[in-house]
Amino acid sequence: GQNIDQPTEMTATEGAIVQINCTYQTSGFNGLFWYQQHAGEAPTFLSYNVLDGLEEKGRFSSFLSRSKGYSYLLLKELQMKDSASYLCAVRQAARGNKLVFGAGTILRVKS
Amino acid sequence: GAVVSQHPSWVICKSGTSVKIECRSLDFQATTMFWYRQFPKQSLMLMATSNEGSKATYEQGVEKDKFLINHASLTLSTLTVTSAHPEDSSFYICSANSALAGATDTQYFGPGTRLTVL
Repeated sequence: GQNIDQPTEMTATEGAIVQINCTYQTSGFNGLFWYQQHAGEAPTFLSYNVLDGLEEKGRFSSFLSRSKGYSYLLLKELQMKDSASYLCAVRQAARGNKLVFGAGTILRVKS
Repeated sequence: GAVVSQHPSWVICKSGTSVKIECRSLDFQATTMFWYRQFPKQSLMLMATSNEGSKATYEQGVEKDKFLINHASLTLSTLTVTSAHPEDSSFYICSANSALAGATDTQYFGPGTRLTVL
């Protein structure tokens, strides 16, 4: 089976840095994705990790530790438009590379 | 690149009618498409995996006779909700992936279709 855990909600201040954690237990791990989803819209791809370490892409960075079953998404220089739900998804090779999504973390950015 | 479209973006129908939702990959060929359902304030739940030219693979608990999936070409998959009932009201999202769309074989999502059954 699989289990993906993320905090339900987080609040941060504009201009600050926020870290959203994701822990997972799964078989046949084949990569971890982070998506951003604004209310009523489809998810948009943010980042992908398959090897341990940090991937940086502008204001967004994602980290993976496969041995710990742990990832985080780091958002820097927060902007109001970053208020959204952030979804952690694990890809399982054993299940035809399907994605299993966590429940998502609602991030509220306040001024 | 890697743009996925869905049509319609929203639909309201009467209970008992059938609704067809189209998912298209606009600038790449999608060997595999996925259909998800998302209820308010919940995460995406995979309904089925659609492979071009073959039968869809449904997740446990999803009725294949109620949610008909056709993947007739490398750029088009359709989901038909048959005899829709109010409990089928949800946000339906498709995604597509292909190794050609990126080295990570990422799933790219369509904009979603909001279905309301009265």
